[in-house]
Amino acid sequence: GAVVSQHPSRVICKSGTSVKIECRSLDFQATTMFWYRQFPKQSLMLMATSNEGSKATYEQGVEKDKFLINHASLTLSTLTVTSAHPEDSSFYICSAWGRGLYYGYTFGSGTRLTVV
Amino acid sequence: AQTVTQSQPEMSVQEAETVTLSCTYDTSESDYYLFWYKQPPSRQMILVIRQEAYKQQNATENRFSVNFQKAAKSFSLKISDSQLGDAAMYFCAYRTANSGNTPLVFGKGTRLSVIA
Repeated sequence: GAVVSQHPSRVICKSGTSVKIECRSLDFQATTMFWYRQFPKQSLMLMATSNEGSKATYEQGVEKDKFLINHASLTLSTLTVTSAHPEDSSFYICSAWGRGLYYGYTFGSGTRLTVV
Repeated sequence: AQTVTQSQPEMSVQEAETVTLSCTYDTSESDYYLFWYKQPPSRQMILVIRQEAYKQQNATENRFSVNFQKAAKSFSLKISDSQLGDAAMYFCAYRTANSGNTPLVFGKGTRLSVIA
């Protein structure tokens, strides 16, 4: 089946630094990647949608300069949290769609970001 | 815009018993997909079951089945012979069938506890 590998699974960074999260589609071409944020005991909140080779489309209220998304290839999408602050601490999940995945989407295993 | 509502924040079931999780949605579209995802403590999103709106037959996957009522816009999940491993957060989700790369719309989730 379609697999998305997300790394790192956990990261702790200092306030003011940047952190990059990677999502790789291992056995299919991910033409679209969705990035979600999830707070404890809450649902997934869509942050942005990126199509391969295009600029990401951000949801209202999401700072595009803080959450940089790159989707330069059909197998790799990255989310960079720039100048991270404690309020950016959260669980981030990617979800990919590609040709042939006609129904649901494949999710990465998530990244728990803690900013100290 | 489509919305998904899960009215039960928490549910519990005795091991080996049956439990039904509720989900309603709002859409003006006639063609769409509905999903139930499970999120265990590992936080990996796992597809439990999916339903195509054009199909009248309710989807079934082993111990999991749905009751899809299109006119009522209802999509409940029934878990039979509940097992301890079924304890998780369950999310109902909607996706339009008109485009392959639109994001899932999630409900707020139902936390299911299984009592031994």
